[in-house]
Amino acid sequence: RKEVEQDPGPFNVPEGATVAFNCTYSNSASQSFFWYRQDCRKEPKLLMSVYSSGNEDGRFTAQLNRASQYISLLIRDSKLSDSATYLCVVKPKSGYALNFGKGTSLLVTP
Amino acid sequence: ETGVTQTPRHLVMGMTNKKSLKCEQHLGHNAMYWYKQSAKKPLELMFVYNFKEQTENNSVPSRFSPECPNSSHLFLHLHTLQPEDSALYLCASSQSGLAGVSSYNEQFFGPGTRLTVL
Repeated sequence: RKEVEQDPGPFNVPEGATVAFNCTYSNSASQSFFWYRQDCRKEPKLLMSVYSSGNEDGRFTAQLNRASQYISLLIRDSKLSDSATYLCVVKPKSGYALNFGKGTSLLVTP
Repeated sequence: ETGVTQTPRHLVMGMTNKKSLKCEQHLGHNAMYWYKQSAKKPLELMFVYNFKEQTENNSVPSRFSPECPNSSHLFLHLHTLQPEDSALYLCASSQSGLAGVSSYNEQFFGPGTRLTVL
């Protein structure tokens, strides 16, 4: 079973739409959770950390369900500039490694 | 622009060549990482250095040899690579303490070196 699983998409949505991405992880001892964004042929950049109580940053809302080992990212009022690949990232309790999902591709169209 | 730079940005090499990838971070971090990103695969951690000491080697073949002369610089020496080693090689850095990297320390990535092995 893969450490971090995501639906690769692509998700094609019109501007202004709300879109949600899901991610599951296999290691129940995982400690920290993140969403990274990677634009085409660019490096990954941290979008937001995911906290147990859920957290919001502008149009972006992240949720964590430890019991189900499930993380989500909700994007409201999609912009063209949101088009990118969104990487679900999980850090185990020990060690330095970040476990990355393959990413979910989002294309926001006019 | 991130505070992590990588050179070269593109590299084409034959299987018998020896080359090196360079990474430099200007963020004052103490932990540095090499990742490999192949098409259709998730990022794979290769090596981790904390305070210049290698702390993780993720079962990487010996044809990849890392070097960390100081906390700001990281190299990846390449020799006798295979075509399947063609990928994007990403360097990252993060804040850390001598006890290791804390949970929420963000990793900052460089732009990567796109490597093609012929």
